Amino acid sequence: DIQMTQSPSSLSASVGDRVTITCRASQGISSWLAWYQQKPEKAPKSLIYAASSLQSGVPSRFSGSGSGTEFTLTISGLQPEDFATYYCQQYNTYPLTFGGGTKVEIK
Amino acid sequence: EVQVVESGGGLIQPGGSLRLSCVASGFIVSSNYMSWVRQAPGKGLEWVSVIYSGGDTHSADSVKGRFTISRDNSKNTLYLQMNSLRPEDTAVYYCARLWAPGWFDPWGQGTLVTVSS
Repeated sequence: DIQMTQSPSSLSASVGDRVTITCRASQGISSWLAWYQQKPEKAPKSLIYAASSLQSGVPSRFSGSGSGTEFTLTISGLQPEDFATYYCQQYNTYPLTFGGGTKVEIK
Repeated sequence: EVQVVESGGGLIQPGGSLRLSCVASGFIVSSNYMSWVRQAPGKGLEWVSVIYSGGDTHSADSVKGRFTISRDNSKNTLYLQMNSLRPEDTAVYYCARLWAPGWFDPWGQGTLVTVSS
């Protein structure tokens, strides 16, 4: 199985900050990577697919980059509604696997 | 509106069975890949099963032989039959459309399955 490791596991940031979350795959996955946002007691929401393609309706302050084994999710100008947990997910190989999550909290 | 709505969760004893349902609207289940993903309390996300548009299925090793994914085309509904349930199967189960080659959207609101005596 491909292991997905996110860092940090949590971070504190202020409204307006630029936030970067890293996701590393245990083996190369090309650009077969997605990012999700999950708020407490809610279902995950798709943000990005194919490593850098923005899902329809997602604000442009979200961006993704990377290929191979290292990927980043960047939020440029954190908004109050962005405080949530973020997950990466690889879809290069079954079983589909997720990172452990990064919780973005208010400083 | 494109959405999926799960139901069927509840409290079940170890060794018991439960069937989850997921009704889709705004798209045709049988023309899409559909999947189940679960999340244990306070934990991360774990992919469970997928059914392809052609009808083939694939499941995680942790549920293989115990869980079966299926669909009813006439009801535009996805199912997850869960047998021989274990306490470690306790989780919120989400239904989601799986966009080839493998990212999830949309997700349902989830249904909680608790396996406990």
